Formats: sequence, structure tokens, C-alpha cells
Amino acid sequence: DAKTTQPTSMDCAEGRAANLPCNHSTISGNEYVYWYRQIHSQGPQYIIHGLKNNETNEMASLIITEDRKSSTLILPHATLRDTAVYYCIVRVRAGNMLTFGGGTRLMVKP
Amino acid sequence: DAGITQSPRHKVTETGTPVTLRCHQTENHRYMYWYRQDPGHGLRLIHYSYGVKDTDKGEVSDGYSVSRSKTEDFLLTLESATSSQTSVYFCAISARGSTDTQYFGPGTRLTVL
Repeated sequence: DAKTTQPTSMDCAEGRAANLPCNHSTISGNEYVYWYRQIHSQGPQYIIHGLKNNETNEMASLIITEDRKSSTLILPHATLRDTAVYYCIVRVRAGNMLTFGGGTRLMVKP
Repeated sequence: DAGITQSPRHKVTETGTPVTLRCHQTENHRYMYWYRQDPGHGLRLIHYSYGVKDTDKGEVSDGYSVSRSKTEDFLLTLESATSSQTSVYFCAISARGSTDTQYFGPGTRLTVL
């Protein structure tokens, strides 16, 4: 699976959009981009995934660049409960394991 | 949230004792996984199962064994616990049908003294 690069930490004001970038310049054509988050002391929580097209669900939006070398997770209206470590993962969909890197520690502030 | 429970949620044990962690799902998903999470290492796969009685090793399987006699239960056993196995253990499940997304349980914090 391709490696990913994310900023170590980010801050966001409550109520504003949180935009979390991820670089995956070595991604292959059959690899998906997955996003998970982990709130302190809890299990990782699935957020969203995509292959080529932008995706949106009730939690977030995923914007993937046309060359697929980077993506952005958007939390449209961040709340204090969104404070967590966010992981960007690139994997072949049928792969057996998830490889979590360092992630981005997002701090949502009042 | 996916119907995944783990037991116990916390356990303290002594070096050399056997320990069994249980993962229980109510989703009837075919695939189940055991990960451990340690500072500086992220999540690492220990073992996984792709059906009843069908299991395989992950990247850090030494010192661990697993069993799956029913679809809903996946057991992780430390035959003789060591201090290096102090960690937080997460179970995950996936359907591998319409989606390959893995959903995680709440975790078990294990301390080996």
C-alpha cells in the first residue's frame, strides 16, 4: 500500500470547516483513499473513502485531486467532539490490513 | 455504530500467565481482525480471520494465537504474557461484500506486570 504524509497537528475554530490534507503521491490506480479518526482512548472510527471521485456522507466530504496524488478531508462545521487524530490510509480495497501512520491531531477550539 | 464488543475492557496480569481477549460481533461479518496499538507504532495487525476456523497471521503474530469457532466470536490468546505485550488491543470486522471497510471495537487495555 502507498505511503501517506499528513501534517502532525492542526487547529480549527468551532463551527468552521476543518480541512485536513493528505499527500499520497505514490498511489496506484487500484488503491483507495480511506479516512479514519480516533478520539482519545476509543477505537478508530471509519469516516469516508473514495477512489477517484469526490465523496460526501453525513460526516464529511472527501476531495481527491485529479492526479490522485493528494486528498482533503473536509469536516464542514467542526465541533469540539471532532477533536481527534485523523488518519489517511491508502490501500487496495481487498487488502487484509489497515496501516495507520502518524495521522493529524486536530484540535477544535471554542 | 457497528455491533462490536470487546471483553474485558481493562486487564492487569502478571508475566507468564495466560490471557484471553474476546471480540464479539452482532453484524454477521465474515472477516475479523486483531490489532495492537502502541505509541510510535500506530496500529499493527496481529491475526485475522476470514471465516469460522479460518485464520491467518498478521505482521506481529509471535506470542499470540487466535480461534474462531463461531462467526460472532474471535478470541485472542496470549499463552504466556510478557511485558512487551502491554498494549491496547482492538478488534475490527469487515463484510468484504459490498464494502471492505473495517469497523473497530472499543478496545482492551492490557497491562502485563
